[in-house]
Amino acid sequence: GQNIDQPTEMTATEGAIVQINCTYQTSGFNGLFWYQQHAGEAPTFLSYNVLDGLEEKGRFSSFLSRSKGYSYLLLKELQMKDSASYLCAVREGTGGFKTIFGAGTRLFVKA
Amino acid sequence: EAQVTQNPRYLITVTGKKLTVTCSQNMNHEYMSWYRQDPGLGLRQIYYSMNVEVTDKGDVPEGYKVSRKEKRNFPLILESPSPNQTSLYFCASSLSGLAGNTGELFFGEGSRLTVL
Repeated sequence: GQNIDQPTEMTATEGAIVQINCTYQTSGFNGLFWYQQHAGEAPTFLSYNVLDGLEEKGRFSSFLSRSKGYSYLLLKELQMKDSASYLCAVREGTGGFKTIFGAGTRLFVKA
Repeated sequence: EAQVTQNPRYLITVTGKKLTVTCSQNMNHEYMSWYRQDPGLGLRQIYYSMNVEVTDKGDVPEGYKVSRKEKRNFPLILESPSPNQTSLYFCASSLSGLAGNTGELFFGEGSRLTVL
């Protein structure tokens, strides 16, 4: 079966760095995604990893270790607007793809 | 503008009254999917479709039906809604994820459904 775990809530200070961890168990791994969701809005795509290593995109970086079933999202130079939920999602399957989401990590950025 | 459009955005209905939530995308995406989002449970997949006339169950398909007669449309049908289907529903689409594209999901704005 599949299982995706991430912390429920985190708090960080404006200007700081925060790391949101995600562990997963799945069959037929075909990529890991991070999405951002502001309250009352739809999720939006942040990052994608399919091979081991770090992907950097501006203030956001995402890391993947397939052997450990582990990923993290790193947010640098935090801004108040980064207060949102961060969703870890795994795409699995061969031929017919399913994207399964974790419950999300709600990040509060304080001044 | 590239987008996924869902309708209605808000709906209050009563138990047993059939309803359809429409979803349309203008990006020529092969893959479309429906999710429901409930507090503490995150996004749970209801049904997905890899292409026209190809649909499959997600993790919580009970009480829902879908169809994919055209590439752009993927309606969600609740034949006999019940109160436990009160939720926030998202439609999403993407490229297939094959042929080297990342296949990230593009989401509609959500449909908040209340079943009394």
